[in-house]
Amino acid sequence: EVQLVESGGGVVRPGGSLRLSCAASGFTFHDYAMTWVRQAPGQGLEWVSSINWNGGSTAYADSVKGRFTISRDNAKNSLYLQMSSLGAEDTALYYCARELDAGHGDFDYWGQGTLVTVSP
Amino acid sequence: QSALTQPASVSGSPGQSVTISCTGTSSDVGGYDSVSWYQQHPGKAPKLIIYDVNNRPSGLSNRFSGSKSGNTASLTISGLQADDEANYYCSSYGSSSTVYVFGTGTKVTVL
Repeated sequence: EVQLVESGGGVVRPGGSLRLSCAASGFTFHDYAMTWVRQAPGQGLEWVSSINWNGGSTAYADSVKGRFTISRDNAKNSLYLQMSSLGAEDTALYYCARELDAGHGDFDYWGQGTLVTVSP
Repeated sequence: QSALTQPASVSGSPGQSVTISCTGTSSDVGGYDSVSWYQQHPGKAPKLIIYDVNNRPSGLSNRFSGSKSGNTASLTISGLQADDEANYYCSSYGSSSTVYVFGTGTKVTVL
């Protein structure tokens, strides 16, 4: 069974940093591109960042470019999102998702999310 | 890159069909056959229901179907059931700096 379990969320002050993790199991992790998607409270989905199978190619939404870094450790079946210079606009539930076919944006498995709250 | 445009809400009675539109530009929806649709129940993670415009993941009900014409993609839910009441989001690959863009979301209400 495919499972994605996010962790690392919490309350952080504006300007602070946080590192999210996503533990994958039930599939061959290094065969898939992975993505972070976030959802602010009561709002819609927003694509944040994606990484290809070996970490050699990454992409970021304009809203996080230069502040967030996506990475992966295929030996540990884990995906990460290092977030810095956090602001109130980054408050959201952060989901990691597996991309069925790289470059198609078809996210077929999602975790349950980890909540990031940026508050003074 | 702006979010794709969806109607805020649609509704229908059990057994009826509803269609949700998703309008973008030639740089996203109109330019690529990489449109996906997601169903999200309150408090739950999104679930992929259509990918590459009109493909269903294995095991998913054929009551869900997708199509595209020009810069607008559509999701049709036929034989509406109570459990179809949820929020639905489209997404597309985009050629701008924002690689993937989601729609604004549509709340489907079963009357």
